[in-house]
Amino acid sequence: QVQLQESGPGLVKPSQTLSLTCTVSGDSITNGIYYWTWIRQAAGKGLEWIGRVFTSGNTDYNPTLKSRVTISLDTSNNQFSLKVTSVTASDTAVYYCARLRGYYYYMDVWGEGATVTVSS
Amino acid sequence: QSALTQPASVSGSPGQSITISCSGSGSEVGNYNHVSWYQHHPGKAPKLIIFEVSQRPSGVSTRFFASKSGTTASLTISGLQAEDEADYYCSSYAGGSTLVFGGGTKLTVL
Repeated sequence: QVQLQESGPGLVKPSQTLSLTCTVSGDSITNGIYYWTWIRQAAGKGLEWIGRVFTSGNTDYNPTLKSRVTISLDTSNNQFSLKVTSVTASDTAVYYCARLRGYYYYMDVWGEGATVTVSS
Repeated sequence: QSALTQPASVSGSPGQSITISCSGSGSEVGNYNHVSWYQHHPGKAPKLIIFEVSQRPSGVSTRFFASKSGTTASLTISGLQAEDEADYYCSSYAGGSTLVFGGGTKLTVL
């Protein structure tokens, strides 16, 4: 059974960098079939796709966030991570990691989400 | 990259059917069949219920049916049950290796 679990600080100060890690169990992040992706949901808002990373390390990002976001792999720990720089209150959200099926663009396994608040 | 348009809320009584629309454009829904639907109970992980416009993953109830016409995708839930009360999101490939979601629809089972 594939499981994903987000972890990281729940509170980040404005202008600093938000960092989250997603630990994958039951699958290898180097399987070459799936991408690994981040999605977020601000309170009272819908889901927003942040970006994805492939086995090769290649990445794709939401154009609206691209300048501030980095997604990377840690193959030794079977994890992938998200960094968002220069955060503001609008980055306050529940952040989900998920497994994304390449070509078909659907997420079949999701983590339960990590709440991140941006506040001084 | 604009979010896909979904009704904010829909409701129905147990046993009834409801349909949720997901309206996009020729840049995503109208140009690709990579449309998916997710069920999200607040506080839990979202669950994939439809992929590739109308395909159900193994284990998803046949009460969930989806289709697409032009730039609008639709999700129909038949035989409504209390457990169906949740938020529902559509998503679509939007070209350029990007993905876009709908704004979400809150389903209330009366």
